[in-house]
Order: sequence, then C-alpha cells, then structure tokens
Amino acid sequence: GENVEQHPSTLSVQEGDSAVIKCTYSDSASNYFPWYKQELGKRPQLIIDIRSNVGEKKDQRIAVTLNKTAKHFSLHITETQPEDSAVYFCAGIKGGSYIPTFGRGTSLIVHP
Amino acid sequence: GAVVSQHPSWVICKSGTSVKIECRSLDFQATTMFWYRQFPKQSLMLMATSNEGSKATYEQGVEKDKFLINHASLTLSTLTVTSAHPEDSSFYICSAPEINEKLFFGSGTQLSVL
Repeated sequence: GENVEQHPSTLSVQEGDSAVIKCTYSDSASNYFPWYKQELGKRPQLIIDIRSNVGEKKDQRIAVTLNKTAKHFSLHITETQPEDSAVYFCAGIKGGSYIPTFGRGTSLIVHP
Repeated sequence: GAVVSQHPSWVICKSGTSVKIECRSLDFQATTMFWYRQFPKQSLMLMATSNEGSKATYEQGVEKDKFLINHASLTLSTLTVTSAHPEDSSFYICSAPEINEKLFFGSGTQLSVL
C-alpha cells in the first residue's frame, strides 16, 4: 500500500519567515495530494491540494509543489504569522480510491 | 466547502458502557465515510471505511465487534464503541469525500472512559 513520509516533525520559525514541510510517497498510482491544518482539539481543515497533472499551485501565502518523478511534494508558507501555528498533515490518495494515507504531521510553531 | 457534522463533541462514560458517535454529511451525499482515531500529537489512524448499504471495511488490528459501524443512509454513519474501556479513550473523527475526492472532516469526538 501507499506510504507517506513527512518531515520535519516539528518546525519552529520566527514571524515573517518562510516554512517548508516536505512529504514523500511510495505509490506512483497516487494522484491527489491534499494538505490539512489542524489546530489543537479541532478538525483538520483542507488548506490546499494538488493533482498529479500540475507541478505547482499557489493560494496567497500558501503554495504546494509536486515532483512526480521523485515522488515528493512540499508545502510552502511565506510570511508566517502566529495564527499559522498548528499541526499540518500531508496525504496521498490513489485515483478513485478516496482513501488517503496521511503523513505523521508537522507541528509548526510561529514565534511572534 | 462541504460540511460534515459530528456528535457528540465530547463524552465521558463509565467503563463497560457503549458510546455512539454520529457523523452526518449536511450538504452532500456520502456513500463512503471514514472513521479515524487520533492520539495526542499523533497522526490520523484510519480505523474503518463505512459504506452505505453494506458492511464496513476494517483496517488490520481494529476489532469490528468492538467498533460497530453502521451506514444506513447516504448522509449518516455511526460508530459505536462497545463495552468501552479506558484504553479506548481517544479523539475519534469521521470524514467524507466529495465527488472530487476532497475530504471533509467532522469536528471530532473526545471520548474519555473512566
């Protein structure tokens, strides 16, 4: 089955800096890669996603890049703010399966 | 985005009792729903896939008689933790995919078994 590795497990940055979280996947049949933000005790919220026919997608301060050949994708957050502090999960989904395999999560801490 | 409603948000129960958690898709039909368990500071662990009108598919190591899943309609799936014990205490969360594979989560249920 699919295996998604996520790094780092913890990321601490100063407000205004950029943050990058990286994920790798094993199954070349995976073609949909969402990113979720989860605040303590709350539900994961979809913040951005990318499909395998696209190499990069951007939404304001958030961007995701995908390298299909290397089987890795990354989340980039620019101009970080304290409210960006949360746990971020990446996931890989095989076409038609709807079943995501999640990474282990990255705890992002943005210091004011 | 789509809305998935989950109830209750938290529940405290005595050891040996059963607890039912409901998950509803409010503005779309969900033939499939997923149930996850999440321990503090850990990732989402898929427990089972709930299929409308048929039996749920359980992940390896998850006891189907312990965690009963019913998906009787296109908008409702329930998870019942039977004869709960302290080790069952956890954050349980459901999710449902829209037709375009986007996955939306319920608000989660914090279960504490005394």
